[in-house]
Amino acid sequence: GDSVTQMEGPVTLSEEAFLTINCTYTATGYPSLFWYVQYPGEGLQLLLKATKADDKGSNKGFEATYRKETTSFHLEKGSVQVSDSAVYFCALSARAAGNNAGNMLTFGGGTRLMVKP
Amino acid sequence: GAGVSQSPSNKVTEKGKDVELRCDPISGHTALYWYRQSLGQGLEFLIYFQGNSAPDKSGLPSDRFSAERTGGSVSTLTIQRTQQEDSAVYLCASSWRLARETQYFGPGTRLLVL
Repeated sequence: GDSVTQMEGPVTLSEEAFLTINCTYTATGYPSLFWYVQYPGEGLQLLLKATKADDKGSNKGFEATYRKETTSFHLEKGSVQVSDSAVYFCALSARAAGNNAGNMLTFGGGTRLMVKP
Repeated sequence: GAGVSQSPSNKVTEKGKDVELRCDPISGHTALYWYRQSLGQGLEFLIYFQGNSAPDKSGLPSDRFSAERTGGSVSTLTIQRTQQEDSAVYLCASSWRLARETQYFGPGTRLLVL
């Protein structure tokens, strides 16, 4: 079945450091790929997405490129801030079972990012 | 506009009791999804609705779990005879349509079964 693997955390960085959180996936067909973020005490928020190969999703200084050849969707940010401290989830959207199938999200295990001043 | 809302935000119950969790999707969104976030299992998909119909219930953890949606809007996830392993955060999400649409999540209901 479909699966998402992302690097385990926690990742601890100093402010203004470069961030990479690795994400690889296994899926049949051509899934859409997402990064969701969960700030402390809050719900899941969409950070960025890409729907086809070579697409780059970007938002709030974060970006990720859909790499079909390496089945990856690594999250990067050039200069992190303390306010970026959160848990980041990589996810793919694939068809659930059934003739009128919805798109269920399959999530990675989450990576906790801690940014220190 | 208003986002996805869920109630209650927290629920503590005793083992063996039934609980109902409610989700109000974003107005106009036809697709609705339930997920569970637990320490041991991470984020897992439970069930989705297109309108009032749930074509696939295989993601529900056991037959103690059921869900319904009425009027193409509000959905209720019911857990009968709760067990301690049901303790988790139950998340609801909605999207405008099914295919490849971004899902918007509610704040979740934190369930603790004692």
